[in-house]
Amino acid sequence: EPEVTQTPSHQVTQMGQEVILRCVPISNHLYFYWYRQILGQKVEFLVSFYNNEISEKSEIFDDQFSVERPDGSNFTLKIRSTKLEDSAMYFCASRDTGELFFGEGSRLTVL
Amino acid sequence: QKEVEQDPGPLSVPEGAIVSLNCTYSNSAFQYFMWYRQYSRKGPELLMYTYSSGNKEDGRFTAQVDKSSKYISLFIRDSQPSDSATYLCAFRKYNFNKFYFGSGTKLNVKP
Repeated sequence: EPEVTQTPSHQVTQMGQEVILRCVPISNHLYFYWYRQILGQKVEFLVSFYNNEISEKSEIFDDQFSVERPDGSNFTLKIRSTKLEDSAMYFCASRDTGELFFGEGSRLTVL
Repeated sequence: QKEVEQDPGPLSVPEGAIVSLNCTYSNSAFQYFMWYRQYSRKGPELLMYTYSSGNKEDGRFTAQVDKSSKYISLFIRDSQPSDSATYLCAFRKYNFNKFYFGSGTKLNVKP
C-alpha cells in the first residue's frame, strides 16, 4: 500500500541551527501538507502546497519556515533558525482529491 | 466559538463495549468529514472519510454526520484493547486545502 515516508524519524539540534525535514508523498498525489504536534497537544496546520506553490499557511508558518519541492518526489520543510518551542512532531501529509494521508512523523528536539 | 470542539477524555471502556466519539463544529462550510486514529508518537491514520449526512460503515466502525446539527460521531463496536488510541475528527471546506482537526479524544479499552 502506498504511504507517505518521512526522514529523519528523530532529529536533535541546537537552538539557532537550521533543520530540514524531508518527505516523500504518495506518488500520484497533488496536494502536500506539513502539520506539527507539540507533545500532548493538538495537530496544528502549518502549510499546504499545490502546483509548486504555497496555497495556504498558518500564523505559525512565519519567515523562519519554508517549504520546497526540489524534484518530482520530495517535499521538504526547512526551519532556518530553530527555537526551543519548535520542539515537536512534524507530520507530512498528502492527498489526491480526497482523503489526507499522513507520514509517521519526524520528531524534532531543540536543545 | 471554536471551529471544532472535541472532548479530550480520557474515555475508559471495557473490552467489547460500544464506543461513541463525538465532535461538534461551527463552520457550515465544512463539507468533508474524517476520523483519524493516532497511536502514541505515531502519525494519524485515516479511519473514515465522508462528505454527506448520514451513516457510513466500515467493519466495526460507523461514522455518522448530521450537518443540520453540525455534529459528527464515530461508533466502534466490539471494542478491542488495540483500539486504545487518540481519535481525531477532521474537517475540510469545499475548494479549500486546509484540514481542521479536533484536539482528539483519548480512548482506553481495558481487557
